[in-house]
Amino acid sequence: EPEVTQTPSHQVTQMGQEVILRCVPISNHLYFYWYRQILGQKVEFLVSFYNNEISEKSEIFDDQFSVERPDGSNFTLKIRSTKLEDSAMYFCASSIRLGPNEKLFFGSGTQLSVL
Amino acid sequence: AQSVAQPEDQVNVAEGNPLTVKCTYSVSGNPYLFWYVQYPNRGLQFLLKYITGDNLVKGSYGFEAEFNKSQTSFHLKKPSALVSDSALYFCAVRGDSGTYKYIFGTGTRLKVLA
Repeated sequence: EPEVTQTPSHQVTQMGQEVILRCVPISNHLYFYWYRQILGQKVEFLVSFYNNEISEKSEIFDDQFSVERPDGSNFTLKIRSTKLEDSAMYFCASSIRLGPNEKLFFGSGTQLSVL
Repeated sequence: AQSVAQPEDQVNVAEGNPLTVKCTYSVSGNPYLFWYVQYPNRGLQFLLKYITGDNLVKGSYGFEAEFNKSQTSFHLKKPSALVSDSALYFCAVRGDSGTYKYIFGTGTRLKVLA
C-alpha cells in the first residue's frame, strides 16, 4: 500500500528556534493535513491544505505556524519560534479525494521535543 | 461545530470475547464517520468508515461498526477479540457541509487479556 513519509522521525530543538517538519504525501493525493498528538493522547487538527492554499486551520495554528507545498511533492510545516508547549508528535496525512471513497492516510509522525 | 466523544479511556476485554468501543458525534450536515487504530510509535491506520448506505459497515481485521443516526453513535465492534487487537482506537468525523476537517475523539485504549 502507498505510504505517507515524514522526516525526521525525531527532532529536538531549543525554545525560540525554527523547525521545519517534512512530509511526502501519496503522489496522486489532493488534500493534505497536519495533526498533532500530545503524550499519545488526543489527535488535534492543525491545518488542511487543498489546491495550493490553506482550506481550514485551527486556533492552534497561529502566526507561528505555516505550511507550504513548494515543489508539488513535499508538504512542510514550519514553526517559526518554538515554544515548550509545541512538544508533540506531528502527523501529516493525505487523501485522494473527499466523498464516497475518502480515506486519510497518515505518516508515522515526527516527534518534536522543545527544550 | 463538529465534535466526537469517546466516553471510555480504556476498555478491557478477555481474548475471545466480543468487544465494543463507543463513539458519539455531533456534526453539521451528514456525517462521514471513521475508525482508526494506532499501535505504539506508529501513525494512525484506517479501519473502516461510514459514508452512506448500510448502517453496519465492515472493515479491516474483522472489525465492524454500526451507524445509528438517532443516537448519533458509531460504535466499533468485533465478535471475538484477539490479544493483537490491543491498541489505541480513534473515532473521527467530518461533516459534509463544506468542511475538509476531520475531528478525532480522545481515543480509547483497548486491552485484550489472554
